[in-house]
Amino acid sequence: AQSVTQLGSHVSVSEGALVLLRCNYSSSVPPYLFWYVQYPNQGLQLLLKYTTGATLVKGINGFEAEFKKSETSFHLTKPSAHMSDAAEYFCAVTDPGRAGTALIFGKGTTLSVSS
Amino acid sequence: EPEVTQTPSHQVTQMGQEVILRCVPISNHLYFYWYRQILGQKVEFLVSFYNNEISEKSEIFDDQFSVERPDGSNFTLKIRSTKLEDSAMYFCASWRQFLNTEAFFGQGTRLTVV
Repeated sequence: AQSVTQLGSHVSVSEGALVLLRCNYSSSVPPYLFWYVQYPNQGLQLLLKYTTGATLVKGINGFEAEFKKSETSFHLTKPSAHMSDAAEYFCAVTDPGRAGTALIFGKGTTLSVSS
Repeated sequence: EPEVTQTPSHQVTQMGQEVILRCVPISNHLYFYWYRQILGQKVEFLVSFYNNEISEKSEIFDDQFSVERPDGSNFTLKIRSTKLEDSAMYFCASWRQFLNTEAFFGQGTRLTVV
C-alpha cells in the first residue's frame, strides 16, 4: 500500500526566507507524486507534479520539488516566501500502474509566513 | 479553463437525515472521486467511480454512503442517516485518464450535521 508522510504539521517562516516542506512516500512501484495547496475555505489546487522524466519539477507561484528515489522524498521548496503563500500544503501519491487509482494524501503542513 | 463544480457550497442537516452532495465533473473526464476532509485533518479518499461503477473504495465508504452518475453529467454522493461525525468538507475530483496525470478538484461542500 502506498502512503505519504509529511514531516512537520506546522512550518513558520519569515517573509523572504526559504520555504521547505518535507514529504516522504512509501510505494512498491515508482509513484506519481503531487503537491496540492489549500487556501482557507477553498478547494485543492495543484502546485506541481512528478510523473516521469526530470526529477526537479517546477510549479506555480515559484514552488519546485525534487523527486529523490534513493531518499523516497519529494520535498517542496520556494526560495523566498511571500505572505500570500500562507496555506495548507498536501503531498499526495498515486500508483501509475493502476489506471484511475486514487490519490493518497499526507496529513498536510500548515505554512505560516510572518512579516 | 474547465473546472469541477460542486453544489451546495455549504449544507446544514439534522442528524439522521439524508443528504445528497452534487458534483459536475469536467466533461471529458473518465474517473470521478469523492474525498472527505474533517476539520483540521487530512484529505481522505472515499470512493472512485469509472464506467458507471465503483472502481475503488476506502473503509470509510460503508453502507451509509452511495454514489451515482444519474444523467451522464452529475456525480452525486448520498449519505444516509447522517451522524455528527459526518461533518466535514467533501471534495469531488475528476481525472480524464491516467496518462493525463492529475486530478482536478472542486471547491468542496462543507457539510455540517447538527
